[in-house]
Amino acid sequence: DTGVSQDPRHKITKRGQNVTFRCDPISEHNRLYWYRQTLGQGPEFLTYFQNEAQLEKSRLLSDRFSAERPKGSFSTLEIQRTEQGDSAMYLCASSPRGVASTDTQYFGPGTRLTVL
Amino acid sequence: LAKTTQPISMDSYEGQEVNITCSHNNIATNDYITWYQQFPSQGPRFIIQGYKTKVTNEVASLFIPADRKSSTLSLPRVSLSDTAVYYCLVGFAGKSTFGDGTTLTVKP
Repeated sequence: DTGVSQDPRHKITKRGQNVTFRCDPISEHNRLYWYRQTLGQGPEFLTYFQNEAQLEKSRLLSDRFSAERPKGSFSTLEIQRTEQGDSAMYLCASSPRGVASTDTQYFGPGTRLTVL
Repeated sequence: LAKTTQPISMDSYEGQEVNITCSHNNIATNDYITWYQQFPSQGPRFIIQGYKTKVTNEVASLFIPADRKSSTLSLPRVSLSDTAVYYCLVGFAGKSTFGDGTTLTVKP
């Protein structure tokens, strides 16, 4: 068990550029989550996959944001036409098979995005 | 969505027991309550989860009253390394919110 990994750990980009982040969940975990966290705030839910199906999307996930999990393993989160307000830590979490209501999420280290 | 309310911050001293309470008045019947710990520049880490009454593991206890509208995380004999932000989470997947957490500062 190598834990949830995220790449890159840090990303600095200019406003208007597109960025893509990758998350590799714990092997065999079928649920995968993306969150956004700004300084001093708790993580805000963005979206959730069960296997390759995207089951929930927050209204925070504007049309500039898209997430995929094509084979039910790793996931990518893309932000198009970045804005300074997108600067945040982007966290990925995965959870094992089982009853969803007793979900225990294992978080990655996050990708810190800075938009200049 | 089950909104949670926690104290913004708490101070304690090494060796003391710390209790952090979370209010979740509109918890749903199927919702579990989960607590996470987060250190700076790291993702949250699972501490404990419960549905009702009391749950205990090697690091903490969780007390949930019969009406389930609140929960209390109890950390026995804290150390300096327990200085972190603690979040309670009610529900799961897209039907849960972390809130802003409680910053616990443990002093020597």
